Amino acid sequence: AQRVTQPEKLLSVFKGAPVELKCNYSYSGSPELFWYVQYSRQRLQLLLRHISRESIKGFTADLNKGETSFHLKKPFAQEEDSAMYYCALRYGNKLVFGAGTILRVKS
Amino acid sequence: SAVISQKPSRDICQRGTSLTIQCQVDSQVTMMFWYRQQPGQSLTLIATANQGSEATYESGFVIDKFPISRPNLTFSTLTVSNMSPEDSSIYLCSVGQITDTQYFGPGTRLTVL
Repeated sequence: AQRVTQPEKLLSVFKGAPVELKCNYSYSGSPELFWYVQYSRQRLQLLLRHISRESIKGFTADLNKGETSFHLKKPFAQEEDSAMYYCALRYGNKLVFGAGTILRVKS
Repeated sequence: SAVISQKPSRDICQRGTSLTIQCQVDSQVTMMFWYRQQPGQSLTLIATANQGSEATYESGFVIDKFPISRPNLTFSTLTVSNMSPEDSSIYLCSVGQITDTQYFGPGTRLTVL
């Protein structure tokens, strides 16, 4: 069955520290993965997708098929990065979301 | 990008009643989806709203409980029927291609007493 696991409910880091939000998936097909973000009092929005191989707001994510992971990374956290982050997997015409990780960046 | 609005933004309802949530998009879209986010949990797809035909429901969700209408390419409704406290959730609609950016509405926060 398709599944997305985000093991951390909360990740708290200091400003300027590196960030890694973990995401593991279970899928027998060719995976297509996304990171969505929800800032306080805003709606859910796409942050990045693995097929684009782009860096958005300093965040990157690499698909590792061997480890079935798609961890989100940023070398230097900023306070405005504080938000809820969801990893999502596409299968067919649908998205499966992980449980989400709250990122808190402390000053 | 698509601009999506939902009505109502929140509601408090009594057990056994029904609530209809509206989703309006500022442009014509092919795919519309309804999600549920229960307290402390992730988003779960309820159904895909198809224009001109019945919605396609995910496992665990049935039309009698969550009837959906899609009268045109810019509008859809989701009804939560015969509500119980377990239906207390945020309900979100989204549009877009799964392989591309999906745009989400602001959500409807439902509390059932």
